Amino acid sequence: RKEVEQDPGPFNVPEGATVAFNCTYSNSASQSFFWYRQDCRKEPKLLMSVYSSGNEDGRFTAQLNRASQYISLLIRDSKLSDSATYLCVSGYGNKLVFGAGTILRVKS
Amino acid sequence: SAVISQKPSRDICQRGTSLTIQCQVDSQVTMMFWYRQQPGQSLTLIATANQGSEATYESGFVIDKFPISRPNLTFSTLTVSNMSPEDSSIYLCSGSGGVQETQYFGPGTRLLVL
Repeated sequence: RKEVEQDPGPFNVPEGATVAFNCTYSNSASQSFFWYRQDCRKEPKLLMSVYSSGNEDGRFTAQLNRASQYISLLIRDSKLSDSATYLCVSGYGNKLVFGAGTILRVKS
Repeated sequence: SAVISQKPSRDICQRGTSLTIQCQVDSQVTMMFWYRQQPGQSLTLIATANQGSEATYESGFVIDKFPISRPNLTFSTLTVSNMSPEDSSIYLCSGSGGVQETQYFGPGTRLLVL
C-alpha cells in the first residue's frame, strides 16, 4: 500500500465547474500536509498547506481530517489555467511523502 | 520563497558513465533534499543533503550509486554513478527553512541514459 494515495484521474471538467480531489495517508505520525501543483515538464510548486481547521485561498479550499487520515482539495470556478497534476503530500520530521498525483483538465 | 537553480537542465549519457548535477539556492536554507521522478510517477526522496557531513539516504538508495555533497548552506551536488537506462529520470533538488517547513523545488534535471 502506498503511503499517500490519490485517484490518478484524469478529471475532465468544463470551465467554471467545481472539482474536488481526495487523498488518504497511512502514516498516523504525519505532522504536516500540503497540496502541490505540477505542470507538465515542470517542477512541483506549493499550492497550499493544509490545516485541521481547514484553509481557503481564493478559489481553493483544503481540508484535513486526522481521524480518517484524509485530505481534500476543492477548486471552485475552474479556469483553463488550473489544468495540471495536483500532488497530495504528507510530512513527518523533515521528510515529505508525495502521492502520485491527480490530473485535472479544464476545458472550454 | 527560495529560488533554486539546477544544472544541467538535461543531459543524454552513455551507459556506465557518471553525471554530477548541481543545485544552487539563492538564500540560506536549513535543509536540502534530492528527489527522483520517473516518467508518469511521483517524487521519491533519494536523500537529505547534510552540510559538511554524509547525506542521509532513503531505503533503496546508497552512497556508492548516488554520492552527494553539500559543502555549504546554499550548494549541493548529486552524482548518478555508473549509469544504466533505469536511471533515466528527472532529478530534483529542494530546499526548506527547517523541519515541517515548506519545500521549494529546483526546475529539475532530465536525464536520459542510452
